[in-house]
Amino acid sequence: DIQITQSPSSLSASVGDRVTITCRVGQTISSYLNWYQQKPGKAPKLLIYVASSLQSGVPSRFSGSGSGTDFTLTISSLQPEDFATYYCQQSYNTPFTFGPGTKVDIK
Amino acid sequence: QVQLQESGPGLVKPSETLSLTCTVSGGSISSYYWSWIRQPPGKGLEYIGYMYYTGSPNYNPSLKSRVTISVDTPKNQFSLKLSSLTAADTAVYYCASLYYFDSSGYLDNWGQGTLVTVSS
Repeated sequence: DIQITQSPSSLSASVGDRVTITCRVGQTISSYLNWYQQKPGKAPKLLIYVASSLQSGVPSRFSGSGSGTDFTLTISSLQPEDFATYYCQQSYNTPFTFGPGTKVDIK
Repeated sequence: QVQLQESGPGLVKPSETLSLTCTVSGGSISSYYWSWIRQPPGKGLEYIGYMYYTGSPNYNPSLKSRVTISVDTPKNQFSLKLSSLTAADTAVYYCASLYYFDSSGYLDNWGQGTLVTVSS
């Protein structure tokens, strides 16, 4: 299985802050990396697919970048509704694997 | 937009088989790949498997000996069976549509999830 690490595991931030979450994959996966947002008690929601493509309906303050083994999710100006846990997921090989998550909470 | 809804028992006994169904609305079961994912309480996400309405399913090797995913085209449903349950299988189970391309894909629509507890 392809291993994934995320950093940080958690962070505290204020509304308006720029937030960056990193996902590092154990082998090169081209751009086959997706990002999801999960709020407590809710299903994950797709934000970014194939590293940098914004899912329809997702605000433009979310962006993704990277290729190979290192990827980044950036929230340009954190909004109250963005406090959640963020997961990356590789879809280069099955079994598709997820990162352990990054929890973003209010400072 | 496709909508998905899981259904099935919330409590299952150890050693028994879990059966869950995902009902698809707003789209045809033959238009997508379909996937199951689970999340133990307070933990991360684990891919279980996926399949198209025809062809062979793809399972996580860690669960392959115990899992079956199937599609019921007339009912626009797909299902998950997981056998020989233990407490470690206690989790929220999600069904999702998988947009599949170039041997890859992403999970673009999710059901709300259903909590399954394995306990006697």
